[in-house]
Amino acid sequence: DAKTTQPPSMDCAEGRAANLPCNHSTISGNEYVYWYRQIHSQGPQYIIHGLKNNETNEMASLIITEDRKSSTLILPHATLRDTAVYYCIVREPTGNQFYFGTGTSLTVIP
Amino acid sequence: DTAVSQTPKYLVTQMGNDKSIKCEQNLGHDTMYWYKQDSKKFLKIMFSYNNKELIINETVPNRFSPKSPDKAHLNLHINSLELGDSAVYFCASSQDRGGEQYFGPGTRLTVT
Repeated sequence: DAKTTQPPSMDCAEGRAANLPCNHSTISGNEYVYWYRQIHSQGPQYIIHGLKNNETNEMASLIITEDRKSSTLILPHATLRDTAVYYCIVREPTGNQFYFGTGTSLTVIP
Repeated sequence: DTAVSQTPKYLVTQMGNDKSIKCEQNLGHDTMYWYKQDSKKFLKIMFSYNNKELIINETVPNRFSPKSPDKAHLNLHINSLELGDSAVYFCASSQDRGGEQYFGPGTRLTVT
């Protein structure tokens, strides 16, 4: 069901930028890219989403390639509290479902 | 105030029992969801309601029955509980059918 591919795990040093890649080579023209994260045992948390342009909010930046076949979530200054599983999801704007794949387990190292 | 709340947080029960999990959102959203996260951490949607109307019903045993008394509540009732029902159940809501979803803290159900 999931239309995205992510590395299973990554490490990042505290204070450095964490760059989480996602491949979505079969993305359709009207599908958005969403990012969520799940900190241990908690409910998934919305981070950011975008269609074509790069997006930035208080949590992260989303860089989408020009062909839209891949994207990168950037946490500019990772903290220990950013340790979580990060999910990249593509979805139509009227779609009801988020298909959560296996995500990337990010560990921020002190 | 918690945006999406669920009760109980933990639920331990025996096989064959009937139990309910409650969900409430105070965000004024129109759409609510139930997800199941199994022991392998796969998160999968079960149901979706929009303005009290069922719009998604994934392949879920009919022992599971969602009930939406109003837009702010979506409860999950489970009959004849089985061992395989043990999981964490998450409720979520969104402004409309296409919006980002906000999740509750989860209910860990253990069937013994």
